[in-house]
Amino acid sequence: KAGVTQTPRYLIKTRGQQVTLSCSPISGHRSVSWYQQTPGQGLQFLFEYFSETQRNKGNFPGRFSGRQFSNSRSEMNVSTLELGDSALYLCASRTTSGTYEQYFGPGTRLTVT
Amino acid sequence: AQTVTQSQPEMSVQEAETVTLSCTYDTSESDYYLFWYKQPPSRQMILVIRQEAYKQQNATENRFSVNFQKAAKSFSLKISDSQLGDAAMYFCAYHVGGATNKLIFGTGTLLAVQP
Repeated sequence: KAGVTQTPRYLIKTRGQQVTLSCSPISGHRSVSWYQQTPGQGLQFLFEYFSETQRNKGNFPGRFSGRQFSNSRSEMNVSTLELGDSALYLCASRTTSGTYEQYFGPGTRLTVT
Repeated sequence: AQTVTQSQPEMSVQEAETVTLSCTYDTSESDYYLFWYKQPPSRQMILVIRQEAYKQQNATENRFSVNFQKAAKSFSLKISDSQLGDAAMYFCAYHVGGATNKLIFGTGTLLAVQP
């Protein structure tokens, strides 16, 4: 099976712009989670989607949003970008049965200038 | 709230030797999952090993094993016969139960393997 894929891998944006990141889970996986990784805050949970519904959301401002499509692909959007949004954004997927193992994509490196 | 603590920011080990990475966590739950993830410089997060809290037996995956002490809320990772490819950042993670799929990560331990 193909792994989790994320596009784009690298992105440079300017403050105030918005950005959309995409994640395609492993085939058959219906749950997709997003994490932000920064040197200062480490790995932080953003949100999780299952069957096109957001099941849980981390402690991030409303500028961070996401959605999931019927094929389980997910997108996250960040509006009005700030310098502090510069981070590695990781997507993870898992099956809905079993042992809660999450499989991560390679991440999207977002740089805000 | 659940927390995960990794008290060793950096560790070093000689090739072929054994190293143990520490992790402690705090939770009031009795049933949960714990994971160790590896993140090499390429940044792809890789699952190393999983432990179910209800299982007393420590998990083992080839050269990787854990020492799970539920009462002490401790979950250490032992890497035997260390290889150069083991050099990476290692994260301990706690799975928040229920319908959510949220992982809480520790701050990570950067492991260097010396030839």
